[in-house]
Amino acid sequence: AQSVTQLDSQVPVFEEAPVELRCNYSSSVSVYLFWYVQYPNQGLQLLLKYLSGSTLVKGINGFEAEFNKSQTSFHLRKPSVHISDTAEYFCAVRRGNRDDKIIFGKGTRLHILP
Amino acid sequence: NAGVTQTPKFQVLKTGQSMTLQCAQDMNHNSMYWYRQDPGMGLRLIYYSASEGTTDKGEVPNGYNVSRLNKREFSLRLESAAPSQTSVYFCASLGRITLGEQYFGPGTRLTVT
Repeated sequence: AQSVTQLDSQVPVFEEAPVELRCNYSSSVSVYLFWYVQYPNQGLQLLLKYLSGSTLVKGINGFEAEFNKSQTSFHLRKPSVHISDTAEYFCAVRRGNRDDKIIFGKGTRLHILP
Repeated sequence: NAGVTQTPKFQVLKTGQSMTLQCAQDMNHNSMYWYRQDPGMGLRLIYYSASEGTTDKGEVPNGYNVSRLNKREFSLRLESAAPSQTSVYFCASLGRITLGEQYFGPGTRLTVT
């Protein structure tokens, strides 16, 4: 069975500073990995996904993530955050294309400090 | 094209009452999901359905039943609601050509008193 661990429940960061949100997964088979964002009082929106190929994936709003198979990680980064990035971020994992079960982490709340 | 719709948006139940949460998608997606979201717990998978006529348990299935009525609709039933089932419930769908991206409904906020 797959699982996801988001190591930080909350991350405070100053506006225009870089940020990294950490995600580790476990699975015995190859995986698809996702980051979703949930703005206050809204639903979930896909930021980016890794299915195969290049380990560095770029998403919307200037976010990117790097898949690291040896460390079983998929950390999300942004070089300069804005107040509009205040949201909760969720990492999710799916066991490749053969299994439709998709598991989410507990989320990381990003606080942007002025 | 409405995407994923959920009804109702809000619901208050008394302990022991039953209710069904409805979900429908108009994207011709094969797979559908029910998650619950609780503070500090993220989204937890309750049940999912990979195709019409099939359903599978997720991480927290106890106290819930589901029905995949047809390709469009996937309902979640609480037979005897408990305060521990107070949560926000999200339905999602996944198509074969969306390459893994789930589409989420707006959520149902359920309170059990």
